[in-house]
Amino acid sequence: EAQVTQNPRYLITVTGKKLTVTCSQNMNHEYMSWYRQDPGLGLRQIYYSMNVEVTDKGDVPEGYKVSRKEKRNFPLILESPSPNQTSLYFCASLVRGGSYNEQFFGPGTRLTVL
Amino acid sequence: GENVEQHPSTLSVQEGDSAVIKCTYSDSASNYFPWYKQELGKGPQLIIDIRSNVGEKKDQRIAVTLNKTAKHFSLHITETQPEDSAVYFCAASTTDSWGKLQFGAGTQVVVTP
Repeated sequence: EAQVTQNPRYLITVTGKKLTVTCSQNMNHEYMSWYRQDPGLGLRQIYYSMNVEVTDKGDVPEGYKVSRKEKRNFPLILESPSPNQTSLYFCASLVRGGSYNEQFFGPGTRLTVL
Repeated sequence: GENVEQHPSTLSVQEGDSAVIKCTYSDSASNYFPWYKQELGKGPQLIIDIRSNVGEKKDQRIAVTLNKTAKHFSLHITETQPEDSAVYFCAASTTDSWGKLQFGAGTQVVVTP
């Protein structure tokens, strides 16, 4: 089954404790991206990657890191989380198709930073 | 940078009626405009997209129109059904389906029987 998986799905942590949210896709997509979703603000792009070893900043990259060492994985790293990073996070992958681009979002990770 | 505004923020329609959501963008270089549907507790799902070289695209009951001169694009849902109830997001990109995506704030659509 074609899918994007994220782990963990829920996480409660404390300020300053480094954490990693993993993202993996089994569709051999070149493009992957991370978003955060906050009430009233919609989806904001954090980082994206157009291929292995290629990453670029989205609109809200501050406080986040990513890596793309292999095509299937695109982890999101919070080196020193702060309460303003409490949010719902989505990973996505995309490949251009015929009439439509195939884009898949993961199920989301709800992060709470105390 | 790009700024995408989406209206309305909420939309209530009777089953069978049409729903229209409008988005405007600021960057004239934007050339890719996808629409997403997000159901409660799920991730967004790409439902339709349009590139700047076409003015309209249809897929069954949904259609998207693009006016490059006015820098706005719209999602049209005809013959709405209860399963169309969801949050809909528009987005714009300057790199034709790759790269940075700027999203609108979303429209909560409620279809009442």
